[in-house]
Amino acid sequence: QQQVKQSPQSLIVQKGGISIINCAYENTAFDYFPWYQQFPGKGPALLIAIRPDVSEKKEGRFTISFNKSAKQFSLHIMDSQPGDSATYFCAASMASGTYKYIFGTGTRLKVLA
Amino acid sequence: DAGVTQSPTHLIKTRGQQVTLRCSPISGHKSVSWYQQVLGQGPQFIFQYYEKEERGRGNFPDRFSARQFPNYSSELNVNALLLGDSALYLCASSLDTVGYGYTFGSGTRLTVV
Repeated sequence: QQQVKQSPQSLIVQKGGISIINCAYENTAFDYFPWYQQFPGKGPALLIAIRPDVSEKKEGRFTISFNKSAKQFSLHIMDSQPGDSATYFCAASMASGTYKYIFGTGTRLKVLA
Repeated sequence: DAGVTQSPTHLIKTRGQQVTLRCSPISGHKSVSWYQQVLGQGPQFIFQYYEKEERGRGNFPDRFSARQFPNYSSELNVNALLLGDSALYLCASSLDTVGYGYTFGSGTRLTVV
């Protein structure tokens, strides 16, 4: 119940295209869903996050879509650029108990120039 | 403003040895969490500390321990190192225990030979 399943494992997108990464969870107690971007040799950096009381959040080219009934959420990167090439992690956490993040397994995105 | 700083950046140890990793959180952040990221996987929660008290522990053996100092910096200790402890160790800081919006450091790359 503590798992967050992420797909695809890797993704290749043409410059200007849309990158879509999906995550699914089981524990309905999760109430915060962040996405992190990680470049080689660096720590994860927070991109965007959503709470389950909204269905969509947009920040620049990055959008999170959230489906509470399906227990799924996704990251959409519009107008993908070569500089977006990185590994993306979804995560989930809850405000009670141990305030840990449960991370997905990551998606390695490559945007072709 | 300085972000989360971790030291050392890289470390090579021999099986059976002990290692201490250090973390300084963002100024004003009182909570520090530690994560282990094995190559090709998402970060796994090890500990969370807030106001010098342990607030959460992940599924790691007792060889792993940590502490937080009055200035909110933290140390992670690993005893009796195993080859499987080779990983990127990430420190994350946040304002409080809830952990919304973690900021990660760049990590310490530990190699056990």
